[in-house]
This record gives sequence, structure tokens and C-alpha cells, in this order.
Amino acid sequence: EAGVTQFPSHSVIEKGQTVTLRCDPISGHDNLYWYRRVMGKEIKFLLHFVKESKQDESGMPNNRFLAERTGGTYSTLKVQPAELEDSGVYFCASSPAGQPRRQYFGPGTRLTVT
Amino acid sequence: AQSVTQLDSQVPVFEEAPVELRCNYSSSVSVYLFWYVQYPNQGLQLLLKYLSGSTLVKGINGFEAEFNKSQTSFHLRKPSVHISDTAEYFCAAPLAGGTSYGKLTFGQGTILTVHP
Repeated sequence: EAGVTQFPSHSVIEKGQTVTLRCDPISGHDNLYWYRRVMGKEIKFLLHFVKESKQDESGMPNNRFLAERTGGTYSTLKVQPAELEDSGVYFCASSPAGQPRRQYFGPGTRLTVT
Repeated sequence: AQSVTQLDSQVPVFEEAPVELRCNYSSSVSVYLFWYVQYPNQGLQLLLKYLSGSTLVKGINGFEAEFNKSQTSFHLRKPSVHISDTAEYFCAAPLAGGTSYGKLTFGQGTILTVHP
């Protein structure tokens, strides 16, 4: 069984540009989460999808971040326009229906904004 | 106040020595506690979890943790470490309340470095 995959593994962009991160959860997992770790800080929750619906997006930093999960499969996280403070590692996790706490994490996308 | 606190940012230890990585939690989290490990260039991997029952939880790779309600702690231990245990370790718990039961809050991470 394939694990959670994320693409790209690393992205370097300039301030003001747009970047889209993608997460493919484990097949059949209804729950999908995005987390972020900014340099030197703890990993923080961004949002939670149940299928294609946003269950909780209380951790999204501002309206420059847009997450989608069309069709309840893969998810994208778009940052537009990117700022320097957006640099960090973005993790995606998924879990089966009814097991929100049993999360399987992807390898993360390292985003560097210069 | 930090919901989950890892008391040591870095722990150096020699191979085959015992190690303890400390984690304390606050009342703002649900008492479902996790330890994750991140090896270099890899994602987060679940080491072990406490959901209920026995307070001593055994995980993968010889790690174990003890849930202590009176001390609000969930320290991770291994009696004899290997070079391959070098990694960053994270303690986590879901925040109490809210609409998302899976909303994990993490400690700051502890970098364990095992020296030969």
C-alpha cells in the first residue's frame, strides 16, 4: 500500500510568486490534514478535510493560503502571493474514516521563499 | 501556554546508553498522546501512542513511553540506543474541543544524536 505522497519535495520561489503544493493521501482515507513547520518552531496544524469538505481551517495563517480537495482524493495548498515568512516544511497527513487520530504523514514539502 | 512541551531541544548520547526524551502536556489537550520520529529526509513516523489502558506503552524500534497523569507527562525511553536512532522526535496530542478531533498539537521537537 502506498503511503502519503507529497509533491514537490522542495520548492524555491521568489517573494510574490505563487506556489502550489500537492498531497496524495493513502487511498480510501477520508481525512486529510495539512501542517506546517516554520524554521525553529513547532509543527502547527493548518486545516483538516473530511472527504472534500473543510472540517476545520482554523490554522490557516491568512487569505494568501488556499486549500482544496476536489473529489475527496488529492489536495492542493496554494500560496499566493508567497511571503518570506511562508518558508518552512509543509506536511500532509491522512487517516481513515472514524480514526482521526491515526494519522499517516507524508515526507513533507520544503518551501523556501527568497 | 504551550499545550505540549518537550523539555529538551537536543539530547546527545553515546551508543548503547539509555535515553529519555521528556514531554509534558497541558489540560488544553485530549489525553491521547503520541510520539513521532522524523529520520533525516523522511516524513513523520508514528513511534507509539497512548489512547487508554495500560500506562506503559511499547512502540517500534524498542521505544516505550509512560503516561503519568499526576505529572502530566509522557516521557519516551529506550534502554539502549543505536546510531540509527539519530533523528528528531516529536510529542503530540489532539487539542481538546473544536470540530476536528484530529487536530494535533506538537511539541517543539527533540533532536536525538547518538554518538559511537
